[in-house]
Formats: sequence, structure tokens, C-alpha cells
Amino acid sequence: QKEVEQDPGPLSVPEGAIVSLNCTYSNSAFQYFMWYRQYSRKGPELLMYTYSSGNKEDGRFTAQVDKSSKYISLFIRDSQPSDSATYLCAMSRSNFGNEKLTFGTGTRLTIIP
Amino acid sequence: DAGVTQSPTHLIKTRGQQVTLRCSPKSGHDTVSWYQQALGQGPQFIFQYYEEEERQRGNFPDRFSGHQFPNYSSELNVNALLLGDSALYLCASSLGGDGAHLISNQPQHFGDGTRLSIL
Repeated sequence: QKEVEQDPGPLSVPEGAIVSLNCTYSNSAFQYFMWYRQYSRKGPELLMYTYSSGNKEDGRFTAQVDKSSKYISLFIRDSQPSDSATYLCAMSRSNFGNEKLTFGTGTRLTIIP
Repeated sequence: DAGVTQSPTHLIKTRGQQVTLRCSPKSGHDTVSWYQQALGQGPQFIFQYYEEEERQRGNFPDRFSGHQFPNYSSELNVNALLLGDSALYLCASSLGGDGAHLISNQPQHFGDGTRLSIL
């Protein structure tokens, strides 16, 4: 079993819809949770990170962490065609700049104009 | 402000050959991590360098080795290439310390990778 599970999709939604992306994990030592966005032929770009359980909002993006369920989510409101990309969840045990990141497989998202 | 740069962009090799990939970290960063991303998969951690030493290593064989230079740039070397080594190799940099202490919670910034194809 992988430490981090993520539905690979693909996921297609109409422009303006709310998108929900999710990951589950098995390692209870994970403390930091990140979402990266990866456009085709580009490297991952950090969108948001959260520490432990709770919610964090940044513009149209909201990240949620439920450590009791080992479940994290990323919500995208008012989705735009420019949001079409692969979304990767990532986790680390501690200080995530100096720790290895464990990634999910990524969910491929397409926003249809 | 230049981000993480990697070279070359693409590389084609044959089985059994050796390859060297290069990474220049984002300005001000001192820690470099390498990841392998197979097609349709998330990145897998190979190893991390800080102060010119390998600090952590993922579950990769000894054929994968690296180096960090005094200017913080880094190389990833892979020997005896296998077909399964075909992947996108990503370098990530972060600020790990201030010279005396480790610094917490500085995100890893990724380059656009080197796409390695093994024939």
C-alpha cells in the first residue's frame, strides 16, 4: 500500500464550478501537508501548505486537513480554464524544507470553458 | 530572481550508459533535493544535499549518486542506465539553514526537470 493515495482522475468540470481534490495517507507521522500544481512539461509549483489539522484559505483555494481521518482536500472555487493542470498532494514528517516530500500520484484536472 | 534551473532539458541515452544531470538552486537557497517522476506518477524522493553532504536518501539503488558544490549547485549521476530509469528528474531547492541553525518551514521550489529517455 502506498503511503499517500490520490485519485489520478482525469477530472473534467465546467468553468465556474467548485473543484474538490483529495488525498488519503497512512503514515500518522506526517505533519505538513502541501498542494502543488504542475502544468504540462513544467515542474511542480507550490500552491498551499498547512501544518497539522485545520483549514487554510488563499484566494480561490482552500486546503483542509483532517488528521483523525488521514484525509486532506483542496477546493478550488470559481474554477478557470487556467486551473487546468495536474494537482499533486505532498506530505512530510517535519520541517518540509529539509525533509523529503512524499507525493500522491496527482489528479489531472481539466476546466472546460 | 532566477528560479531553479536544470540542464539539460532533454536527454536520450542507451541502456548501460551513465548520465549526469545538473541543477542550480534558486538564489539564496542552500539545500537541493532530487526527485524522479515517472510518467503518470508523483515525484519520488531520491536524495537531499545540504552543506555539500547527502543528508537524506530515498529508496533508490547505489547507481544513483549525487554531489553538491560550494556554490550550492548539484549534480545527479546515474550509472548503468536501465529502461526503467526513463523519467522526469526534478530538482528542488530550499533554504535549509542560516549557517548556524536549521531554518524551519521553507518550501521546496522545483525546477522544470530533465526528461531522460533510455533506449
